[in-house]
Amino acid sequence: EIVMTQSPATLSVSPGERATLSCRASQSVSSYLAWYQQKPGQAPRLLIYDASTRATGIPARFSGSGSGTEFTLTISSLQSEDFAVYYCQQYNNWPPWTFGQGTKVEIK
Amino acid sequence: QLQLQGSGPGLVKPSETLSLTCTVSGGSISSSSYYWGWIRQPPGKGLEWIGSIYYSGNTYYNPSLKSRVTISVDTSKNQFSLKLSSVTAADTAVYYCARQPHITIFGVVTSPSWFDPWGQGTLVTVSS
Repeated sequence: EIVMTQSPATLSVSPGERATLSCRASQSVSSYLAWYQQKPGQAPRLLIYDASTRATGIPARFSGSGSGTEFTLTISSLQSEDFAVYYCQQYNNWPPWTFGQGTKVEIK
Repeated sequence: QLQLQGSGPGLVKPSETLSLTCTVSGGSISSSSYYWGWIRQPPGKGLEWIGSIYYSGNTYYNPSLKSRVTISVDTSKNQFSLKLSSVTAADTAVYYCARQPHITIFGVVTSPSWFDPWGQGTLVTVSS
C-alpha cells in the first residue's frame, strides 16, 4: 500500500498570501495524483488531477506540480473561500487508492 | 449535471450490517468510462477508500475491509450499494459515494483514478 504524507498538518496564512502544501508518496506514483478541497460539513471537491491539471471550474490561483514521490499544491493568493482542508490522493498503485491525512489551511 | 445522492440508516447497532445506497442522476451508471466508489471519513479524521464497482459488477475492495464489505450495482435503478458487516464503533463515519473516471492513455482505457463528483455524505453512527 502506498502511504501518502502531507505537510504541514496546519498552515496559517493571511488572505492574499501564497500557500504551499506538500504531499509525499512512500513510492513513486508517477503523475497519478489528485488534490481535493474540503470545507466543514461538505464533501471533498476535486481541484487537480494528473498532478497539475485543474478540474473543471477551478480557479487559476490553484496549481499543482511534481511527479514521482514529491508533489505541491500552490494557492497563489488566498481568498476567504480557500480556507479549508486539502487532501492528496494517489491512483498509480491500487487497490487501495490512498489519501493523505490532510492539511488544514487556516486564517493567520 | 451528474449528481450522487447517498441514503440509508443513520444509526446501526454493533455487530449488525451497515447498508447504504447511492443513486446517480443526470447520467448513466452504465457508462463504460467510470467506476463508482465508496469513501468514508470518521469524525474529525481523514478519508479512507472502501471499494469501487463497475457497471458490469467488477469490484475492487480495500484489503483492510475486504472481509466485511460487499458493493453491488443495480443498473435498472441507476444505483450502487454498500454493505459493511459486523460493524463496531470504529465504523462510525460519514460515508461518501463518488464517481471514479478511468484514465485513458492514447485512447486506451487503463485504470480507475480520482473521485469526482462526490455525493453529499451520510453520517452513520454505530451505537447500541
